[in-house]
Amino acid sequence: DIVMTQSPDSLAVSLGERATINCKSSQSVLYISNNKNYLAWYQQKPGQPPKLLIYWASTRESGVPDRFSGGGSGTDFTLTINGLQAEDVAVYYCQQYYSTPLTFGGGTKVEIK
Amino acid sequence: QLQVQESGPGLVKPSETLSLTCIVSGDSISSSDYYWGWIRQPPGKGLEWIGTIYYSGTTFYNPSLKSRVTISVDTSKNQFSLRLSSVTAADTALYYCARLPHRGYSFMDVWGKGTTVTVSS
Repeated sequence: DIVMTQSPDSLAVSLGERATINCKSSQSVLYISNNKNYLAWYQQKPGQPPKLLIYWASTRESGVPDRFSGGGSGTDFTLTINGLQAEDVAVYYCQQYYSTPLTFGGGTKVEIK
Repeated sequence: QLQVQESGPGLVKPSETLSLTCIVSGDSISSSDYYWGWIRQPPGKGLEWIGTIYYSGTTFYNPSLKSRVTISVDTSKNQFSLRLSSVTAADTALYYCARLPHRGYSFMDVWGKGTTVTVSS
């Protein structure tokens, strides 16, 4: 199984500042033949299902604000929220879909400082 | 707008079988573009993929649950189902169904609201 490790477990960021979440996979999720990273990011607010933010490591889902961006390749990935808004308070998960079982990171809780 | 919605008993006794259904509306489950899946989230914990199915019946299961899981599809009713046998308290969780837009292995782009299942006598 590919183990997804997120860091930090939680972070507090001031409104308008940048939040950076890291996700590391135990093996590469880059598929060489198409040069795509099989990595997605989700946002989960309390009492709600996860919401897809980013897929292919850096492609923003339709309707997701452009303050959310994904980066990285191979085994190391980041989700960046530029200009944190109050509505961004949530838990964020990464997920690999390079191989089964599909696996998620443990989550990073983002709060307002 | 595609929607998926979970339904099923909220309480299951230990050693019995958990059965849930996901109703798909707004699109045909037989669309060749999509797979359909189940994911669960124990209280206060992270997400665990249970399995995925294609309208043809092709399935992928999490090996950690494979011996107890069956996912099936009913294209006539535009729904798919989850059965998890021999449940224990460890199977208590919020169960989500979702659409997977990429063939085979995929992310999930549409999620249901989830249904809570408690395993208790």
